[in-house]
Amino acid sequence: GAVVSQHPSRVICKSGTSVKIECRSLDFQATTMFWYRQFPKKSLMLMATSNEGSKATYEQGVEKDKFLINHASLTLSTLTVTSAHPEDSSFYICSVSEEASSYNEQFFGPGTRLTVL
Amino acid sequence: GESVGLHLPTLSVQEGDNSIINCAYSNSASDYFIWYKQESGKGPQFIIDIRSNMDKRQGQRVTVLLNKTVKHLSLQIAATQPGDSAVYFCAGPWGGGYNKLIFGAGTRLAVHP
Repeated sequence: GAVVSQHPSRVICKSGTSVKIECRSLDFQATTMFWYRQFPKKSLMLMATSNEGSKATYEQGVEKDKFLINHASLTLSTLTVTSAHPEDSSFYICSVSEEASSYNEQFFGPGTRLTVL
Repeated sequence: GESVGLHLPTLSVQEGDNSIINCAYSNSASDYFIWYKQESGKGPQFIIDIRSNMDKRQGQRVTVLLNKTVKHLSLQIAATQPGDSAVYFCAGPWGGGYNKLIFGAGTRLAVHP
């Protein structure tokens, strides 16, 4: 499977600041990348799907102006949490997929723990 | 609506025993399912998958069974080891496309020596 990295692995920020999380596909070109968030002891919730070179598709209830996604290359997608607040504290996980695949083969990153004070 | 859910939120087993984790789904059109393992503070890790044209698929110490009649699938782990302790999720395709997965609530597997 693909090797996916995320940076940073853990970040603590003050309320009102913005935080950028990077997701990199290290060994293959990821046409599609997904961003999930996960609250403690909960399941993964899909936030958005991003395709390289186009605007991200956000799931219902996810604010696109708050969670800015950029997928400028086939190996990098970024999620920026703007004006973060304590309720944005969560575990953010990205996954990558090859569009050519017929099935949902997604490979997940190690996650980024965001804590907003 | 579509959903993928789990019967048991936690499962405690003795080391060496077999573990069975269950999952129910509601969309009869779902044709692909994946089991993921997630250790604390890490991303999900692929375990095994199964397509709807199969009833059973085996991997190393793991077996997935699919019962399309009752829309149920299970993950069986043989000779459970302490390293198997984690949260296990089943995941299935979001209706209408292959590019979205929905995850079940997860089952925590605790392996005791």
